[in-house]
Amino acid sequence: DAGVIQSPRHEVTEMGQEVTLRCKPISGHNSLFWYRQTMMRGLELLIYFNNNVPIDDSGMPEDRFSAKMPNASFSTLKIQPSEPRDSAVYFCASSSEDGAYEQYFGPGTRLTVT
Amino acid sequence: AQSVTQPDIHITVSEGASLELRCNYSYGATPYLFWYVQSPGQGLQLLLKYFSGDTLVQGIKGFEAEFKRSQSSFNLRKPSVHWSDAAEYFCASTGYSSASKIIFGSGTRLSIRP
Repeated sequence: DAGVIQSPRHEVTEMGQEVTLRCKPISGHNSLFWYRQTMMRGLELLIYFNNNVPIDDSGMPEDRFSAKMPNASFSTLKIQPSEPRDSAVYFCASSSEDGAYEQYFGPGTRLTVT
Repeated sequence: AQSVTQPDIHITVSEGASLELRCNYSYGATPYLFWYVQSPGQGLQLLLKYFSGDTLVQGIKGFEAEFKRSQSSFNLRKPSVHWSDAAEYFCASTGYSSASKIIFGSGTRLSIRP
């Protein structure tokens, strides 16, 4: 299995621009999680989906952030408009109900907003 | 509320020395417990997990962890560390469904002294 795939790996954008981060979970996994990691705040859960349905988005910092999961093999996290304080590494993870429960993480997208 | 505490922010040990990283959890019932490792610039990788049964669990890279219900702890150990073990280590817990939130501790950064 290729593991969780995230794209792009690095993104540099200017303040005010729209940013879209993409994630392909492991095939057969039915839960997907988006995290943000910064030095100041550590690892934060932003939102997670179960069977493509958003279960908890309480970690989404503000309305500028949105996430979708149109099907079992694809999810996006969008920031519009982006701000310098959004600079962080964004991780996607997926998990399965088949006795595993542990989350498998993608390599992350390093976002820099100037 | 569910929580995971890693009391040590940064630990330095000499190469070849033994290691123990502390983790305490707070949960109403026995949770599922995990240890993840994050090397610089990488995503999180699962080291080991505890669901039930034998309270001493073996993981990858020579790591083990012991679940102690009476102390609400799940400490990570390794008898002899290698320079390549330098990384950030995260303890985590979750409930009985992959749709449950996984709660991560704040992490412990491990440095290896030559």
